[in-house]
Amino acid sequence: DVKVTQSSRYLVKRTGEKVFLECVQDMDHENMFWYRQDPGLGLRLIYFSYDVKMKEKGDIPEGYSVSREKKERFSLILESASTNQTSMYLCASRGTRDSPLHFGNGTRLTVT
Amino acid sequence: GQQVMQIPQYQHVQEGEDFTTYCNSSTTLSNIQWYKQRPGGHPVFLIQLVKSGEVKKQKRLTFQFGEAKKNSSLHITATQTTDVGTYFCAGDFGNEKLTFGTGTRLTIIP
Repeated sequence: DVKVTQSSRYLVKRTGEKVFLECVQDMDHENMFWYRQDPGLGLRLIYFSYDVKMKEKGDIPEGYSVSREKKERFSLILESASTNQTSMYLCASRGTRDSPLHFGNGTRLTVT
Repeated sequence: GQQVMQIPQYQHVQEGEDFTTYCNSSTTLSNIQWYKQRPGGHPVFLIQLVKSGEVKKQKRLTFQFGEAKKNSSLHITATQTTDVGTYFCAGDFGNEKLTFGTGTRLTIIP
């Protein structure tokens, strides 16, 4: 069974801090994704990666960056956290273009 | 832009009643996937539809993909308390990424 692990379930950070959200998958998947989930807005794609060191902007990349140095790990970086980045962050991976997404349990980030 | 609209946002039904959620895209989709998220959980894949006019069933759940591959629906017959959650469609526009609808939250009145 595919396992996608996000490093923290809950996180509280202060405005202006640099924040790292980590995601690791154990199935050698090519594609990895970062979404944020907000009430009434569904899941919005921040960034995705289809290979090591490759990244593509999603629909809402502003204020975020990503890193994929190893195939199994995809990190989301908030360079300078702001209160409007308080949200649930979901990482997902998939093996091929037409296979389903496997999600981690999510990280609920609060920026104060 | 490439968007997937999903309605309704909320649906409250009596246990045993049917439930339907609808997704629409302004442009043709390569395929559409459906996910279910239980309260406090993460989205879990249900099914993928690829062909024009495709209909798939999973027990009490029926999934349809429109002839023009621009719309899709999920219908649950005779809802049960285990069906509670938020149902999302996710459209593939042929550009590597999946665009999710806003979801329909289903609550069941016992």
